[in-house]
Amino acid sequence: ETGVTQTPRHLVMGMTNKKSLKCEQHLGHNAMYWYKQSAKKPLELMFVYSLEERVENNSVPSRFSPECPNSSHLFLHLHTLQPEDSALYLCASSQAGGRRTDTQYFGPGTRLTVL
Amino acid sequence: AQSVTQLDSQVPVFEEAPVELRCNYSSSVSVYLFWYVQYPNQGLQLLLKYLSGSTLVKGINGFEAEFNKSQTSFHLRKPSVHISDTAEYFCAVRLDRGSTLGRLYFGRGTQLTVWP
Repeated sequence: ETGVTQTPRHLVMGMTNKKSLKCEQHLGHNAMYWYKQSAKKPLELMFVYSLEERVENNSVPSRFSPECPNSSHLFLHLHTLQPEDSALYLCASSQAGGRRTDTQYFGPGTRLTVL
Repeated sequence: AQSVTQLDSQVPVFEEAPVELRCNYSSSVSVYLFWYVQYPNQGLQLLLKYLSGSTLVKGINGFEAEFNKSQTSFHLRKPSVHISDTAEYFCAVRLDRGSTLGRLYFGRGTQLTVWP
């Protein structure tokens, strides 16, 4: 596979469930990102990982818990979510360091519905 | 605070007509600029980017954009659209603060609909 892949593509969960979103990048990048895309709102950056360390956490509620076990994989663990957390969750990766800018490449997203 | 404004939330256009999607940003420092496209049920795909050099940038699918520093704009254009160009288009800005890792600020998106 090439690029950035995300699984599952669709997820429906109740407010008491625990689930995880998975992202894998096949581009040899060293930085990974989670974004939330809600209807009628700009993309919201949630977390940034660089070299497997979390470098940014934009005041995301603790019911979202990221994990980056290596530079190719990124997870978003979900528990006790609220209906307003329903959205498209996008993963992205980039190559940081050595160049003036790091272009972000996105996966197809996971459409999450919280009942 | 940084902001990216996409002036039109929806742009309807007939096939083979030209189109311009507008993007303005506010920043007191140098920026890098990007346009992404999102087709239904898909993620964001990079269309083009401005890092430095020529202010006219050419991207994929026949799109181009022009960086205008004095007007803080980065409008996207295509001389003749196709029905397959129907999608949502996002303008994004990254600040040049010397770090090679920086967050993107996105606009709210412009839905381009091409009619036959």
